[in-house]
Amino acid sequence: DAKTTQPNSMESNEEEPVHLPCNHSTISGTDYIHWYRQLPSQGPEYVIHGLTSNVNNRMASLAIAEDRKSSTLILHRATLRDAAVYYCILRDGLVRSGTYKYIFGTGTRLKVLA
Amino acid sequence: EAGVAQSPRYKIIEKRQSVAFWCNPISGHATLYWYQQILGQGPKLLIQFQNNGVVDDSQLPKDRFSAERLKGVDSTLKIQPAKLEDSAVYLCASSSVGGSAKNIQYFGAGTRLSVL
Repeated sequence: DAKTTQPNSMESNEEEPVHLPCNHSTISGTDYIHWYRQLPSQGPEYVIHGLTSNVNNRMASLAIAEDRKSSTLILHRATLRDAAVYYCILRDGLVRSGTYKYIFGTGTRLKVLA
Repeated sequence: EAGVAQSPRYKIIEKRQSVAFWCNPISGHATLYWYQQILGQGPKLLIQFQNNGVVDDSQLPKDRFSAERLKGVDSTLKIQPAKLEDSAVYLCASSSVGGSAKNIQYFGAGTRLSVL
């Protein structure tokens, strides 16, 4: 089973910030938090990942709670092209040296209103 | 850099027929994944390879599904015989085991299978 909990859906207005929450209360000390998104009719694409500190890249920011039991993906200015399903996932365990297994949940469907 | 290539994009078959999907990962990526995504659900891992060896196939229905990655590069996933419940999108992904992009998965566009 997925080790994360996300709301099924969220809405945002175009050009406004979006905060997508994720709960992962059973996270272990070495688990990275990964976010992927899936646009309609496409495969998932990597967005961002982090361990303890907040992270920024060209697509988004990731804010991680101090106790690491939750995190928030921040899209600073939502556009219509950001409408997608966003998945927050943890690695499920080491299957072979350097290789991990990840379990996707059902994600959050983000709707962006023009 | 070329992405993950999958073919075909779409496939329609009748139940009890056989079908095969092909995946060519990003060059140099040692790890290759096959996922099944049923409409409205997140991707479900079927099998994971590192080079040409299977590292996890616990979710693969082995009575009808098989996969191989003989030379540690491209891979095929086969279903024989297909059932109605196999209708889904089959996604292939790959990742590296080292470097700054370690364990980041890159996905192909998927193959949409309809079993009638």
